[in-house]
Amino acid sequence: GAVVSQHPSWVICKSGTSVKIECRSLDFQATTMFWYRQFPKQSLMLMATSNEGSKATYEQGVEKDKFLINHASLTLSTLTVTSAHPEDSSFYICSARVQATDTQYFGPGTRLTVL
Amino acid sequence: AQSVSQHNHHVILSEAASLELGCNYSYGGTVNLFWYVQYPGQHLQLLLKYFSGDPLVKGIKGFEAEFIKSKFSFNLRKPSVQWSDTAEYFCAVTLNQAGTALIFGKGTTLSVSS
Repeated sequence: GAVVSQHPSWVICKSGTSVKIECRSLDFQATTMFWYRQFPKQSLMLMATSNEGSKATYEQGVEKDKFLINHASLTLSTLTVTSAHPEDSSFYICSARVQATDTQYFGPGTRLTVL
Repeated sequence: AQSVSQHNHHVILSEAASLELGCNYSYGGTVNLFWYVQYPGQHLQLLLKYFSGDPLVKGIKGFEAEFIKSKFSFNLRKPSVQWSDTAEYFCAVTLNQAGTALIFGKGTTLSVSS
C-alpha cells in the first residue's frame, strides 16, 4: 500500500514553455502532498506544501507564480513549471501524506531538462 | 530554524561489516523521526520511523535506529551490511504537529563492496 506515482518520469522542453507534472496517490487519499526539488548528489529541498481544496504554501525563495500547484482532488496534485528556463532543470519529487500515520510516501520523481 | 545533520557524507564498507549512520536534529520540542533510503535509480523508500514509545525501532531489511532524546540523535544501524544496501540514506524529521513537512538531512552515500 501507500503508492505514489508521478507523470511524466522525464521531460525535455524548450526554454519559455510550460511543463505540468502530476503526482497521484494510488491507493490512499492524501489531503496533503509535498513538492521537493533534488539537485545531483544533494538532499531534497521542500518547495511547497499542497493542501486539497486550498492554496499551496510555498517555501521562502520559491516563486509561486512560476511553480503553480493545484491539488484539486484527494489523489492528485499537479506542479506546473511556467516559462521554464535552463536553471529550472532538476529532479522534482512529490510525496503524499497518509493522515492516519502522519507518514509521507514518495513518488519516483520527474527529471526535467530545459534546453 | 530546525535542521537535520548527517555527519557522514560517504561511507564505504565491506560486506558483513557493521553500519552506523549518525543523525542529529536541532529542535527543542517533540519531533517525529524518519530514515529513508534511495537505491540507485529508484525513489525514496521509508526504512523506519519513530513517533513515540520504545526508542529502539526496527525497520525493513534488518535496519534499526535508536532515538536518544538527550543527544537529539536518531542513528541508523545494521549489524551486517550487504552489497544490496548500497544507496543514499536520508534522515528526516517532522515537528510533532500533523501535516508538517519533512526536514531532510543532506544524506549519506553508503557504498558496500562485495
